This record gives sequence, structure tokens and C-alpha cells, in this order.
Amino acid sequence: GNSVTQMEGPVTLSEEAFLTINCTYTATGYPSLFWYVQYPGEGLQLLLKATKADDKGSNKVFEATYRKETTSFHLEKGSVQVSDSAVYFCALSDRGGATNKLIFGTGTLLAVQP
Amino acid sequence: GAVVSQHPSWVICKSGTSVKIECRSLDFQATTMFWYRQFPKQSLMLMATSNEGSKATYEQGVEKDKFLINHASLTLSTLTVTSAHPEDSSFYICSARDPVVNYGYTFGSGTRLTVV
Repeated sequence: GNSVTQMEGPVTLSEEAFLTINCTYTATGYPSLFWYVQYPGEGLQLLLKATKADDKGSNKVFEATYRKETTSFHLEKGSVQVSDSAVYFCALSDRGGATNKLIFGTGTLLAVQP
Repeated sequence: GAVVSQHPSWVICKSGTSVKIECRSLDFQATTMFWYRQFPKQSLMLMATSNEGSKATYEQGVEKDKFLINHASLTLSTLTVTSAHPEDSSFYICSARDPVVNYGYTFGSGTRLTVV
């Protein structure tokens, strides 16, 4: 079945450090891929998405590239801030499924220190 | 993007009682909504897919009689935790397909359930 694997956290970085959170997936067909962020006590917010191979999902500060050859969708940010501290979830949606449900990774806690 | 409102944001109940959680789509119609349960180590587990006007589709291992889902209108889905026990304490989150963001999903803010 479809699945998503994320690097385990917590990831602890100093402010302005470069961020990479690894995500790989297993899926039949051509899923859409997503990154969501969850701040403490809140629901999930869409960070970025990519719907086909080689697409680069971006929200101006975070980005991730859909790599079909390595089945990966790693999240990157050039310079993290304390306000980026949150849990990050990688997810896929099987567009061939009847309801296109989202399958999540286990989440990666990011802690950014001043 | 579209907004999903979830209520209540937190609830404390006694063992054996039932709790209802509401998930509303604001300004859009959601024929399908999803209910997730989030465990302490952050992972999100899809519990069921809620379909307007028909029975919910439950994931394997989720008790249908324990977690009752009703999707009576295009803007409201409810999850009722029946005869709650302390092990049902968790963070429950609903979501719906975002009609604005292609292939997107929008999430409610979650409900923290504590059963004492």
C-alpha cells in the first residue's frame, strides 16, 4: 500500500541554519505530494505541494522537489527562524483512488534555537 | 483558501459518556471529509472518510460503533466518540478537499479530547 517515511526528529537547529527534512514515499501510480506544518495546539496548514515528477513545490521560503527516480520529496529552507519551530508532515494523495485520501508520514519536530 | 471550522477545540468528559465533535466547511460544500486521530508521537492516523448522504468508510482497525460519523449535509460532518474511555484521549482533526487549491486539503484546528 501507499506510505510515507520521514526522518525522525527532533531536528534542532540554530537560527539561520539550512534546513532539510527528508521524505520518501511508496505509491502506485503518480501521487500528489504535500508538506504540511503544525504549530503547537493547532491543526495542519498546507506549506507546499507538487503534483507531478520534477515539480518544485514552493511557498517562497520553503521548497521541495518531486523526485520520481528516488521517490523523494525533501523539504528545504535556506535560513530557519525561531518561528519555524513546529512539526512538519510529508503526505501523499493517491489521485487514482476513489476519495483521494491523504497518507501522512509520522511528522518531524523542528526546534530552532536563537 | 477554504476554511474548515472544528468545534470544540478541547473537551473533557467522564468515562462512559459520549462526545460529539463537529467539523464544518465554511463558504464551500464538502461532499467528502476526513477524520484523523493524532497520537502523542505526532503521527496522524486516518480514521474514516465521511461521505455526505451515505455511510462513512472506516479504515482497518477503527471501530465503527465506537466512532460514529455522520455527514448529514454538505457543510457538516460529526464524529461521536461513544462510551469514551481514557485510551480514547487524543487529538482529533478533520479535513476536507480544498475547492480553491488544486489537489489541496484544508484542515480544522483540531479537538483535544481528554477522558477522565
